Amino acid sequence: DTEVTQTPKHLVMGMTNKKSLKCEQHMGHRAMYWYKQKAKKPPELMFVYSYEKLSINESVPSRFSPECPNSSLLNLHLHALQPEDSALYLCASSRYIQGINEKLFFGSGTQLSVL
Amino acid sequence: TQLLEQSPQFLSIQEGENLTVYCNSSSVFSSLQWYRQEPGEGPVLLVTVVTGGEVKKLKRLTFQFGDARKDSSLHITAAQPGDTGLYLCAGLLNTGNQFYFGTGTSLTVIP
Repeated sequence: DTEVTQTPKHLVMGMTNKKSLKCEQHMGHRAMYWYKQKAKKPPELMFVYSYEKLSINESVPSRFSPECPNSSLLNLHLHALQPEDSALYLCASSRYIQGINEKLFFGSGTQLSVL
Repeated sequence: TQLLEQSPQFLSIQEGENLTVYCNSSSVFSSLQWYRQEPGEGPVLLVTVVTGGEVKKLKRLTFQFGDARKDSSLHITAAQPGDTGLYLCAGLLNTGNQFYFGTGTSLTVIP
């Protein structure tokens, strides 16, 4: 199983809603990542978890709250988002935190629209 | 400011043509990766290069890492519509523990 599964695939939410994005992998990877991507732009790193502990937070606003309940699961809790937060949110995993021979395995993403 | 600049940003070519995408930086990288992303999907790793001057071939795709490990190129021979997508380079700095993505090249191959 070399898949990273993200749900939901599409999400529309209002600015006062609370929602969560979910990501799951069963490859035994110990590093998991959240990226934000605007159309035809490169992914922007948001958070990195290593061994279920938050390792990197790229100065992401507190309306985005990551959670890593176990080594296979990664959540991103959303609250009071702004329309400019509309984007494709990608989850990725690697065996260990990014190193010279590491490979990132990406999910298909959640296309988020904030109204 | 982007650490890795890709050129061109957009490219539209006819099926059968050749093309080269460039990934440039003023920083030295310990390794560099190329990904392809199709609409509605996440990026998929194509190749990793780690040695200056290294050349890797993947069917019609040729990847080169610059001698000084500051730049890389991707050459596609006889492009096909299935090559359409967003091509991303991603570099790992000598001092870092995360890959930095390039600015991206959106390729469209017209049948």
